[in-house]
Amino acid sequence: GAGVSQSPSNKVTEKGKDVELRCDPISGHTALYWYRQSLGQGLEFLIYFQGNSAPDKSGLPSDRFSAERTGGSVSTLTIQRTQQEDSAVYLCASRRTVSGNTIYFGEGSWLTVV
Amino acid sequence: DAKTTQPPSMDCAEGRAANLPCNHSTISGNEYVYWYRQIHSQGPQYIIHGLKNNETNEMASLIITEDRKSSTLILPHATLRDTAVYYCIVRGHSGGGADGLTFGKGTHLIIQP
Repeated sequence: GAGVSQSPSNKVTEKGKDVELRCDPISGHTALYWYRQSLGQGLEFLIYFQGNSAPDKSGLPSDRFSAERTGGSVSTLTIQRTQQEDSAVYLCASRRTVSGNTIYFGEGSWLTVV
Repeated sequence: DAKTTQPPSMDCAEGRAANLPCNHSTISGNEYVYWYRQIHSQGPQYIIHGLKNNETNEMASLIITEDRKSSTLILPHATLRDTAVYYCIVRGHSGGGADGLTFGKGTHLIIQP
């Protein structure tokens, strides 16, 4: 696609339920990032995928959060047993593998836990 | 990544040039200066980046001082749609680790009609 595509754009879920957020990066981009942004706050790094290398999970806030990237393209961020503090916009970004290329963001998935 | 300092907010009249400053006094030789902006309820949008030469594209110009300790993003003819939070980020191109972007608080630019 022309840009980074994320779905769903909006999700309202009940506390304790699991949610899955999907990211489809720009075609040919091998590096993929997930960020989280709470209302009125800055971007918080969550996880990074680069090709077939082991992902950098250093930003995941708890073991309720996980992400995978199948086939080196589409990525899914899963939040188990959601809590109200998980409410935020979850942003996906991608770039080509060559270091220095610009990182492009999707429009985000807005998650509200009630 | 080196830290950056930006004013928290700025106003600019519609049609005038908006000049957004950024200090990055601890920038290292291989770190680039990137600018992104985030319009309310949207994902961050790439604007421009540079190493040491001034850069211009269809969106903006980037002026980097000779000592590279500061830079200015220039929106030549600001419109109401340019109201957004503008982030100045310095980032190495080592390709190692996450090599992502560390966003500070940015400058909230408000274009006044």
